[in-house]
Amino acid sequence: QKEVEQNSGPLSVPEGAIASLNCTYSDRGSQSFFWYRQYSGKSPELIMFIYSNGDKEDGRFTAQLNKASQYVSLLIRDSQPSDSATYLCAVKRDYKLSFGAGTTVTVRA
Amino acid sequence: EAGVAQSPRYKIIEKRQSVAFWCNPISGHATLYWYQQILGQGPKLLIQFQNNGVVDDSQLPKDRFSAERLKGVDSTLKIQPAKLEDSAVYLCASSVPGTGVKAFFGQGTRLTVV
Repeated sequence: QKEVEQNSGPLSVPEGAIASLNCTYSDRGSQSFFWYRQYSGKSPELIMFIYSNGDKEDGRFTAQLNKASQYVSLLIRDSQPSDSATYLCAVKRDYKLSFGAGTTVTVRA
Repeated sequence: EAGVAQSPRYKIIEKRQSVAFWCNPISGHATLYWYQQILGQGPKLLIQFQNNGVVDDSQLPKDRFSAERLKGVDSTLKIQPAKLEDSAVYLCASSVPGTGVKAFFGQGTRLTVV
């Protein structure tokens, strides 16, 4: 079982729509959760982090965490063509930071 | 604030040759990570340092890969001898210690083994 699992996509959404990305993790002791955005040929860039159950909003991004279900999600509202990228879910326990394979999102104009 | 610095940006070598990558983390970041990212995959942790001590190297192919972090600041990752399957982007990241802290990545080194 992989430590962090994501749907690989690609996820195609029209401009202005909501993109919904999902991530599950296997280690129930995981403590903090991150979403990174990675444009093609670039390094990952942190866009959201969440530590507690519930929702956390930052601009057009909302991260949702459910530790009981070992599930974390990312919603992108009012999707823009510039949001087209691969979104990596990362999970941290103690010092170890593990990544999923990423979900590729394409926002079509 | 300066970010994580990596060099070189690109490297092409023949199989069985050796190669080294360098990383200088953000000032004050005691935790340093080396990740390998193969095209189309997520980053895979190779080794993690806390200051100059190794915290996790369980996925480092120790027969060919080595890494050091002298003086707890910058770090070097070496591959000797390289194989075709080592072609990937090697990412360095750093953070302050702690469970909830964020890691920041350098631009990466794209290695092509031919």
